[in-house]
Amino acid sequence: DGGITQSPKYLFRKEGQNVTLSCEQNLNHDAMYWYRQDPGQGLRLIYYSQIVNDFQKGDIAEGYSVSREKKESFPLTVTSAQKNPTAFYLCASSAGASYNEQFFGPGTRLTVL
Amino acid sequence: QQQVKQSPQSLIVQKGGISIINCAYENTAFDYFPWYQQFPGKGPALLIAIRPDVSEKKEGRFTISFNKSAKQFSLHIMDSQPGDSATYFCAASMKTGGGNKLTFGTGTQLKVEL
Repeated sequence: DGGITQSPKYLFRKEGQNVTLSCEQNLNHDAMYWYRQDPGQGLRLIYYSQIVNDFQKGDIAEGYSVSREKKESFPLTVTSAQKNPTAFYLCASSAGASYNEQFFGPGTRLTVL
Repeated sequence: QQQVKQSPQSLIVQKGGISIINCAYENTAFDYFPWYQQFPGKGPALLIAIRPDVSEKKEGRFTISFNKSAKQFSLHIMDSQPGDSATYFCAASMKTGGGNKLTFGTGTQLKVEL
């Protein structure tokens, strides 16, 4: 099956800990994205990557970090500097930065205890 | 300001009725307007999309109406079914130095009652 996988589905973290969310795609897409979803606020862009070894900050990058060492993988680290990390995190990909259509993964729900 | 305003926040429609969700934008640089459907605990899925050179696009029971002069676009769901109950997001895309970026509305929770 072609698509985007995110793991884990649910994640619990203690305050002060860093945590890494996984995103893998087998669509051979060049561009990948991370969004954060909070109730009543829609989706907000955290980071995005057009090609391997390159990424840019989105609208709410503070407290997050990413890497893009492989085309199919774009992990997101939520650091202890993120003041309100509890949210639903969505990974997406598109064929390339010039393509509009983005395909989303199933999401990871992060809860900070 | 790269904002997309969506209304209503929630909507209840009877089975067989028409569901209408509205969005408005400010930035005329937006050049692609998709609608996404999201079920609880799942990622959004692209439903239908339109470009500003077209005033209407229909796919099955779903229609986008686009008013370029008013900077507004809307989603119409005809013959609404209980299976359509979900959250719907409008979005707008514009080209930037970093590629195409999507800006999302805040979402509409649709409930279709029997």
